[in-house]
Amino acid sequence: QQQVKQSPQSLIVQKGGISIINCAYENTAFDYFPWYQQFPGKGPALLIAIRPDVSEKKEGRFTISFNKSAKQFSLHIMDSQPGDSATYFCAASRGQFYFGTGTSLTVIP
Amino acid sequence: GAVVSQHPSRVICKSGTSVKIECRSLDFQATTMFWYRQFPKKSLMLMATSNEGSKATYEQGVEKDKFLINHASLTLSTLTVTSAHPEDSSFYICSAREGADSNQPQHFGDGTRLSIL
Repeated sequence: QQQVKQSPQSLIVQKGGISIINCAYENTAFDYFPWYQQFPGKGPALLIAIRPDVSEKKEGRFTISFNKSAKQFSLHIMDSQPGDSATYFCAASRGQFYFGTGTSLTVIP
Repeated sequence: GAVVSQHPSRVICKSGTSVKIECRSLDFQATTMFWYRQFPKKSLMLMATSNEGSKATYEQGVEKDKFLINHASLTLSTLTVTSAHPEDSSFYICSAREGADSNQPQHFGDGTRLSIL
């Protein structure tokens, strides 16, 4: 059973546009929601994370929006750049991390 | 930031060989380390959770006699794939958690590409 559902599977965005990736979860016990960025042949790198006591967290061009009642959270990448092209994974945690299925983002110049 | 070093980055070996992969936390102590397996264009599949000084906890379906995990110190965990076969070919990634809080971030190594001929 997939604990965390992630969409879309792939995303193509123009340079300067906004990239939006969505995740949904079922287990209300989850209390930590990180996003990871992974380049080919590399391990995932922590991008930004949020806890359920806040509805939004922003770090530079990256923003997490969190909707506790809907059990959804999303990653917004503002002013997307070609260097942002990578695979993005959301995760939800209650000790153990449960990862989404990943979104392959391509930012075209 | 927290750095996790994984070695080797790539291994190519013959069927039947045992392969050891090391995972080190370079600038922090990791009570807990995790081993994942990732198939091409797929998500990370947790194989086992490794706690320093105790036996690893394996996920359902993961053979503990096949994938031996040792976490003898707060900065080093090893995964040994015993008698590897072509179906064991995959991208293996470790992560380390900083601190005792179970919801601290996990920091990942750069993975090991294992190819069994």
